[in-house]
Amino acid sequence: GAGVSQSPRYKVAKRGQDVALRCDPISGHVSLFWYQQALGQGPEFLTYFQNEAQLDKSGLPSDRFFAERPEGSVSTLKIQRTQQEDSAVYLCASSLEGRTDTQYFGPGTRLTVL
Amino acid sequence: GNSVTQMEGPVTLSEEAFLTINCTYTATGYPSLFWYVQYPGEGLQLLLKATKADDKGSNKGFEATYRKETTSFHLEKGSVQVSDSAVYFCALNSYTGGFKTIFGAGTRLFVKA
Repeated sequence: GAGVSQSPRYKVAKRGQDVALRCDPISGHVSLFWYQQALGQGPEFLTYFQNEAQLDKSGLPSDRFFAERPEGSVSTLKIQRTQQEDSAVYLCASSLEGRTDTQYFGPGTRLTVL
Repeated sequence: GNSVTQMEGPVTLSEEAFLTINCTYTATGYPSLFWYVQYPGEGLQLLLKATKADDKGSNKGFEATYRKETTSFHLEKGSVQVSDSAVYFCALNSYTGGFKTIFGAGTRLFVKA
């Protein structure tokens, strides 16, 4: 069956540009997570949705980062006025029910800010 | 705060060698512990998990035992294959200050034929 998909797989942005990263979770999965993975590091939690509700955004590094999941399925992570330190792989994961369930990860979007 | 520390890589082994990747953690309470694997070009996938002290998680010949007394969850495999070449991440579920999964930095494993 289809897993978690993310698009684009690679994104190059000039400093100051806005970017939007898309995540398509596994159909029927209630929970959705975004992570940021810097080069050579493990993923770091950004935000969590249960259906369309954003229940935890404690990991978002600044108010330039915004995530939404308006219909409880597809999610978009938006980064405004990108900075070089935003360069990373952005991972999306979904789980069937609650946030303690097994997470299924997408392949990630590699963002490079020049 | 809660954290995970795992051995630095890369680890390079010959096929059929014994593998150990060390992982230790700091956490309040009784976290669940995980090993994730990331094969080249693919997303992270759960390899195994243990939810309480002395539990042993196992999958695909890999195993790890939840050791509360040493706060460790070392990954082992008796005989590695070339196809095991990947990056391995140790992780825990933290319930402090809100639930989140905390990952180690990852250990890259190369297995030579």
